[in-house]
Amino acid sequence: GQQLNQSPQSMFIQEGEDVSMNCTSSSIFNTWLWYKQDPGEGPVLLIALYKAGELTSNGRLTAQFGITRKDSFLNISASIPSDVGIYFCAGQLGGGYQKVTFGIGTKLQVIP
Amino acid sequence: NAGVTQTPKFQVLKTGQSMTLQCAQDMNHNSMYWYRQDPGMGLRLIYYSASEGTTDKGEVPNGYNVSRLNKREFSLRLESAAPSQTSVYFCASTQGTVARGVHFGDGTRLSIL
Repeated sequence: GQQLNQSPQSMFIQEGEDVSMNCTSSSIFNTWLWYKQDPGEGPVLLIALYKAGELTSNGRLTAQFGITRKDSFLNISASIPSDVGIYFCAGQLGGGYQKVTFGIGTKLQVIP
Repeated sequence: NAGVTQTPKFQVLKTGQSMTLQCAQDMNHNSMYWYRQDPGMGLRLIYYSASEGTTDKGEVPNGYNVSRLNKREFSLRLESAAPSQTSVYFCASTQGTVARGVHFGDGTRLSIL
């Protein structure tokens, strides 16, 4: 099956810094999704991308669908303590949601 | 603001015991899913139900069974629990397109000794 490589796996940053994380795939996707999981809760959708080259923002978050359709990036600007959590990328080529493949996640820690 | 509700939130079992994890959604969604989350593995699909009355295997179905009791409820059963099934289990549901994502429950943390 398709595999997603998500990096970095963890990161510590100072409050106010910008953050960047990415996902790469061994094959193409038609849709990229970015989720955030707070401790003790389920993942919540942040941004959905469905066109190669697309750049979409959600507040301080910006995500891009790579031109090759095999990668995606998530940037967080001016980090704050509540950005702490695990960020997952997910990709889908076709079919229903059962065809979505998740990355292993990036654990973000923000130092006040 | 219930969304997807999972019970129980925590459970400890002994090897060989059986257990059913319960999930209910109040959003009138057609499709429901069970995932497991393990460190370094991301979320892996166990079973899903595209609509009421249908269930299908996902990526890691061995050792599990599911029941789509009605449109609201989708349960996951471990017939004979094994230590390898220690994990956090998430139920999820969706109605619209993939780009809208799914609604996840808060998870069941299951430890098998």
